[in-house]
Amino acid sequence: GEDVEQSLFLSVREGDSSVINCTYTDSSSTYLYWYKQEPGAGLQLLTYIFSNMDMKQDQRLTVLLNKKDKHLSLRIADTQTGDSAIYFCAEGAFNKFYFGSGTKLNVKP
Amino acid sequence: DTGVSQNPRHKITKRGQNVTFRCDPISEHNRLYWYRQTLGQGPEFLTYFQNEAQLEKSRLLSDRFSAERPKGSFSTLEIQRTEQGDSAMYLCASILDRVAGELFFGEGSRLTVL
Repeated sequence: GEDVEQSLFLSVREGDSSVINCTYTDSSSTYLYWYKQEPGAGLQLLTYIFSNMDMKQDQRLTVLLNKKDKHLSLRIADTQTGDSAIYFCAEGAFNKFYFGSGTKLNVKP
Repeated sequence: DTGVSQNPRHKITKRGQNVTFRCDPISEHNRLYWYRQTLGQGPEFLTYFQNEAQLEKSRLLSDRFSAERPKGSFSTLEIQRTEQGDSAMYLCASILDRVAGELFFGEGSRLTVL
């Protein structure tokens, strides 16, 4: 349950939607997470989804979970320059949490 | 509540010196985690506590590393005889068992070993 894979980079134009993808391996994961990290800062919890859900929407953020394929995505609608950061996908069971290497989102004006 | 607090935010030390980092979790959060993050990587699990009990340690945690949570509130992470390879961001996170989903991180303590 320790392999969480993400693409390294994503570049979008301001106002477009961004979709960041993640795959994981542990079928016993209870929660799947998305975190945002800005330079020199800690990880900010954006949203999380319980493993028995398919979708969760929170303002501009939509999380989709395909448990069969162990695929998680984060869609950011109307992406802004302030969304430029590194986004981490993580999987968690009761006691352990494993993180991907992060996707660097670059938002061009 | 101001969230998870870590001190110091930055530490520069010479190889061979000892350093200690402190983490104050969110009040009433009974589980506390330490992670290490190097440039371009995601956080790697080091150890975690349930109240004052240290329940698991990663293989990454060599004998030079020790962590404590003596009263089940704040925690310290000490690195003895630091090496250049210890240079990293050390992140602390806490979670309340009853709301198991929400794992919150502090701002991290950046260690530079010269």
